[in-house]
Amino acid sequence: NAGVMQNPRHLVRRRGQEARLRCSPMKGHSHVYWYRQLPEEGLKFMVYLQKENIIDESGMPKERFSAEFPKEGPSILRIQQVVRGDSAAYFCASSPGRSNQPQHFGDGTRLSIL
Amino acid sequence: KNEVEQSPQNLTAQEGEFITINCSYSVGISALHWLQQHPGGGIVSLFMLSSGKKKHGRLIATINIQEKHSSLHITASHPRDSAVYICAVGGGADGLTFGKGTHLIIQP
Repeated sequence: NAGVMQNPRHLVRRRGQEARLRCSPMKGHSHVYWYRQLPEEGLKFMVYLQKENIIDESGMPKERFSAEFPKEGPSILRIQQVVRGDSAAYFCASSPGRSNQPQHFGDGTRLSIL
Repeated sequence: KNEVEQSPQNLTAQEGEFITINCSYSVGISALHWLQQHPGGGIVSLFMLSSGKKKHGRLIATINIQEKHSSLHITASHPRDSAVYICAVGGGADGLTFGKGTHLIIQP
């Protein structure tokens, strides 16, 4: 039973380019969460999605960031026109959505902006 | 908005010592999580608890709902336990709010 799969593990982009981070949830999980860990800082919630729906995006920066979880395929976190401050580790987690079930985390994508 | 405070921020101990990491939160919750992160690595969920105590191997997690406080204990600590331990609050269907983490180093 595969866990949460994130790819790529490492991503390097130049300022102004686009970054696309992918997350495939665990089998049977319909809820996906994205978190960001800035260097020397704690994890912060970004967005919570279910299939084809954004449930809570209160942690997403207002510009350049978007997320989707289509009916088919992985969840995508997209960052347009990246800047140096976007360098961070981005973690995806999934859960079946029931309140007594924990979230399972992927290994993260380390994004570096040159 | 829940505030999650962890202590200590850094902890260095000798192999075999009993380790305690504390977590306090400001608003009532449905569940509290303890997570482990190795340097440059992924995040592993150790415990999710909403009351009482849970044990897994040498790890024990307790929570006091009235006092809004949880502790993570490691018995007979080992160098491989060296990692960042993170407390987080939130229910299974909600985004989590995290503490800043406790950097634990166990020296042989």
